[in-house]
Amino acid sequence: DTEVTQTPKHLVMGMTNKKSLKCEQHMGHRAMYWYKQKAKKPPELMFVYSYEKLSINESVPSRFSPECPNSSLLNLHLHALQPEDSALYLCASSQEEVGAGYGYTFGSGTRLTVV
Amino acid sequence: AQSVAQPEDQVNVAEGNPLTVKCTYSVSGNPYLFWYVQYPNRGLQFLLKYITGDNLVKGSYGFEAEFNKSQTSFHLKKPSALVSDSALYFCAVRDRGDAGNNRKLIWGLGTSLAVNP
Repeated sequence: DTEVTQTPKHLVMGMTNKKSLKCEQHMGHRAMYWYKQKAKKPPELMFVYSYEKLSINESVPSRFSPECPNSSLLNLHLHALQPEDSALYLCASSQEEVGAGYGYTFGSGTRLTVV
Repeated sequence: AQSVAQPEDQVNVAEGNPLTVKCTYSVSGNPYLFWYVQYPNRGLQFLLKYITGDNLVKGSYGFEAEFNKSQTSFHLKKPSALVSDSALYFCAVRDRGDAGNNRKLIWGLGTSLAVNP
């Protein structure tokens, strides 16, 4: 299995809703990432987990809450989002966070619309 | 400050012609260098990377890239473009150090490639 699977593919939520994005990989990768991407822009790093511990938080607002239940799963819990949070949310994994230049494997993303 | 430049927002090329998508970087030392491609409404796909060794790196879908240390460039190339190569291409670099912000990928702004039939 050489894929990163993200669910759901599309999500529409109101500003008072609570929802979660899910990411799964079975490649044995020990680093997992959440990125936010606006149309035709590069992805922006949000969070990095290394060996199931939060390694990097790019000063993301608390309405975004990451969780790494085990080495294969990464969740992003969403609460009280704003319309400007509408974007493509990408999950990625790599063999390790540090060391040799490991490439990232990206999922297809969740297209989030906040109404 | 560390940065990656993709000087062309858009590249247009006729099918069958060679294509080049440019990338230059400003990162201390010898960084790791990557190219990713994004098709419409899709996630990013890894194309190729330079870690060490031969300056010409071959990757997926017939793409290759040449690392030029003196010019701090890592241009993406393909000898014969296909219409299906039309997509958004991102160059990314990462410092070889593992401390702090060195662990993060630095992304270029992307180049939209249009291959015309």
